[in-house]
Amino acid sequence: DADVTQTPRNRITKTGKRIMLECSQTKGHDRMYWYRQDPGLGLRLIYYSFDVKDINKGEISDGYSVSRQAQAKFSLSLESAIPNQTALYFCATSETRRGTGGELFFGEGSRLTVL
Amino acid sequence: AQSVTQLGSHVSVSEGALVLLRCNYSSSVPPYLFWYVQYPNQGLQLLLKYTTGATLVKGINGFEAEFKKSETSFHLTKPSAHMSDAAEYFCAETGGTSYGKLTFGQGTILTVHP
Repeated sequence: DADVTQTPRNRITKTGKRIMLECSQTKGHDRMYWYRQDPGLGLRLIYYSFDVKDINKGEISDGYSVSRQAQAKFSLSLESAIPNQTALYFCATSETRRGTGGELFFGEGSRLTVL
Repeated sequence: AQSVTQLGSHVSVSEGALVLLRCNYSSSVPPYLFWYVQYPNQGLQLLLKYTTGATLVKGINGFEAEFKKSETSFHLTKPSAHMSDAAEYFCAETGGTSYGKLTFGQGTILTVHP
């Protein structure tokens, strides 16, 4: 089983619908992240959480919200999806330990298409 | 704000040829630097990372990268390309103690020809 699991792996939805992408991890890491990947743009940080009570906006948080339900669970919501949110979304984790450099461990991605 | 520039969105090499993927970072504080690889329909996998110490870093699958502070570069190389190296490669940095808040480059798609 994967250490970082994302559901769903693929979703097609319509403009205006609410969508939730879920992420769970078994690595025991305290930090979790949501990134978005678009062709030619690399990965961009949407939100990150350093522990259950700590939620922070990344560089492209508009139109998104998150919830850290437990140390192991971090979900991303699109309250009213729009076509330019069509992308590949990645959840990632890292641990707070000096010397690691904050290496990220990624899930396999959730491909979202908004029609 | 930090930025990472990967020179060349597409690189094509012949099997057995040298692979060179270029990356320049912007962080003014000592950076942590990473190279990740993404195979089709998969997540990102760490190839190698530089945190402190030796500036020449060796990673998996025969890849290595050299941290050059004077050039703000962290280029990825492999002496001899293999067909299985075809993938997209991402350079990333996190400045100072911003653990995990990686800033990624735009990615370089590597194609390997027989």
